[in-house]
Amino acid sequence: EADIYQTPRYLVIGTGKKITLECSQTMGHDKMYWYQQDPGMELHLIHYSYGVNSTEKGDLSSESTVSRIRTEHFPLTLESARPSHTSQYLCASSEFKGTVNEKLFFGSGTQLSVL
Amino acid sequence: RKEVEQDPGPFNVPEGATVAFNCTYSNSASQSFFWYRQDCRKEPKLLMSVYSSGNEDGRFTAQLNRASQYISLLIRDSKLSDSATYLCVVNRENTGNQFYFGTGTSLTVIP
Repeated sequence: EADIYQTPRYLVIGTGKKITLECSQTMGHDKMYWYQQDPGMELHLIHYSYGVNSTEKGDLSSESTVSRIRTEHFPLTLESARPSHTSQYLCASSEFKGTVNEKLFFGSGTQLSVL
Repeated sequence: RKEVEQDPGPFNVPEGATVAFNCTYSNSASQSFFWYRQDCRKEPKLLMSVYSSGNEDGRFTAQLNRASQYISLLIRDSKLSDSATYLCVVNRENTGNQFYFGTGTSLTVIP
């Protein structure tokens, strides 16, 4: 089993609230990712990080921010939640080898509902 | 065109059947290939990597055809517990080792 943890597991919140989704991994992996997934749809990359103090934007990054102050921690913040943010958020990590077969491990996800 | 395309299914097969899933990828620079399994409302979990020579893990066999940009997964002797969505995933270096996901193929194994 992968050692990557997300909290909260479920979150119901009102429009306009600021929220932070937590993600931690104990595997010492360099790369971490946030994905968004709606039911029956593919995963979309929101943000990723190559390591401490590195953050990069993915396809859906415009309404959220991330930070990477410690290797093990990669929180995602929505400054002002909207109903369109309702989705499953998946955090993942991988050991960056820069070569083939870099495997991706996922946390159990946060199901966010914005009312 | 999507990076990774899969037939969404659903595939409904009886226990003990053999079932095959296919996946195509659009970018020839793709380097690494994987099959992930995702249960309903759960996170994806790595099922197996896919190697150029093809590889097998128990009842599961994965094949890669780089010339046709095509990946397959064969499941033999299907079990009820194999019911899940199977995601085809590719990775390529020229976009910072990004992972690209198919929408998944849904499998239900029927008693």
